[in-house]
Amino acid sequence: AQSVTQLGSHVSVSEGALVLLRCNYSSSVPPYLFWYVQYPNQGLQLLLKYTTGATLVKGINGFEAEFKKSETSFHLTKPSAHMSDAAEYFCAVSGNSGNTPLVFGKGTRLSVIA
Amino acid sequence: DAGVIQSPRHEVTEMGQEVTLRCKPISGHNSLFWYRQTMMRGLELLIYFNNNVPIDDSGMPEDRFSAKMPNASFSTLKIQPSEPRDSAVYFCATRRMGIYGYTFGSGTRLTVV
Repeated sequence: AQSVTQLGSHVSVSEGALVLLRCNYSSSVPPYLFWYVQYPNQGLQLLLKYTTGATLVKGINGFEAEFKKSETSFHLTKPSAHMSDAAEYFCAVSGNSGNTPLVFGKGTRLSVIA
Repeated sequence: DAGVIQSPRHEVTEMGQEVTLRCKPISGHNSLFWYRQTMMRGLELLIYFNNNVPIDDSGMPEDRFSAKMPNASFSTLKIQPSEPRDSAVYFCATRRMGIYGYTFGSGTRLTVV
């Protein structure tokens, strides 16, 4: 079974500051990990994913995440926040086949202050 | 590619009425997932299909909920009778089996009064 914990339901940063959204997972099998972004009144959009290989994964809009097995973490970062980054961010985990559902965390709302 | 298409975008109905939500997956995507999103519970998986076959419906909250996928191009989620606590955003997501990320539809915002 898999589960995801996102630390902090709401994170607020200043424009230009570092964005750090935390995600810890639990999985009984090697995990595949994902970050999704949701803008108001829209569906979820894939930001980036880790399946195998390089543990530092780059995604869209300047975001990246690092898989750390020893810490069971997959934190999302962006060096410099932009106003357009304000949204809800979801971390998700699945097992390492292509056929099992994703389990999502509760989400973190990111606010960017001018 | 039109993406995952959900209809209607918004639905307001009275308690006790039947509600049907619809989803058209991306062509070639053979796994389909129905999720419900609420403030209290976040994103909950209701049911999913592989190759039109329901695989796990353990997330369906009650017998009032049912889902079908009669062919590769169409799925429905039905609530009968609806109750105010069913008010939520319902998302359909699809993927090609073996490919790990989903593509989500824009969701249906259901309000039961």
